[in-house]
Amino acid sequence: AAGVIQSPRHLIKEKRETATLKCYPIPRHDTVYWYQQGPGQDPQFLISFYEKMQSDKGSIPDRFSAQQFSDYHSELNMSSLELGDSALYFCASSGRDRATGELFFGEGSRLTVL
Amino acid sequence: DAKTTQPPSMDCAEGRAANLPCNHSTISGNEYVYWYRQIHSQGPQYIIHGLKNNETNEMASLIITEDRKSSTLILPHATLRDTAVYYCIVRVPSNRDDKIIFGKGTRLHILP
Repeated sequence: AAGVIQSPRHLIKEKRETATLKCYPIPRHDTVYWYQQGPGQDPQFLISFYEKMQSDKGSIPDRFSAQQFSDYHSELNMSSLELGDSALYFCASSGRDRATGELFFGEGSRLTVL
Repeated sequence: DAKTTQPPSMDCAEGRAANLPCNHSTISGNEYVYWYRQIHSQGPQYIIHGLKNNETNEMASLIITEDRKSSTLILPHATLRDTAVYYCIVRVPSNRDDKIIFGKGTRLHILP
């Protein structure tokens, strides 16, 4: 079965650079969620999109932005990168046909800021 | 305020049942109990969820007390691959968008 696809899996950037992470949800899923997990930390909710509109916002820095496109894939844009942005970034998706409310997570993108 | 309380870590011998407790004394009537786990640096994985009845699937069993203030996730025959952080979450499922808020979780070590 198709899963959530994230790219790139690994990314190395310098301070003050910009990074873009991509997420391709499971087919027919209309909701995408972004999470950030720092070293030794639990996943922290950043932002979510439902039907291409922002639906909820968590602890996402102002330097970050995200959107969901017409094909339901999503991109997380991070600018003016700081050392503290080094983390695993997970994307998850869910769909209205899933009455269980289950979220399906991708394998994550590891961002390292030097 | 954390909606759930879990022990920070537990050990379990391989082949034995792992019983992971969770307290959710402020759970409301329409909130379900969900369990997810995260194997080291992998994406979190759904395990099971329930409202008030006990539930079982191919991965685990979920036992919810009658007053719904606590629950136990049971991995019947733990293997080394079950070593992970287990998260107990209470939420109302939605067919729209409904984020998961992860708390501290229990780090389960399966011992050979």
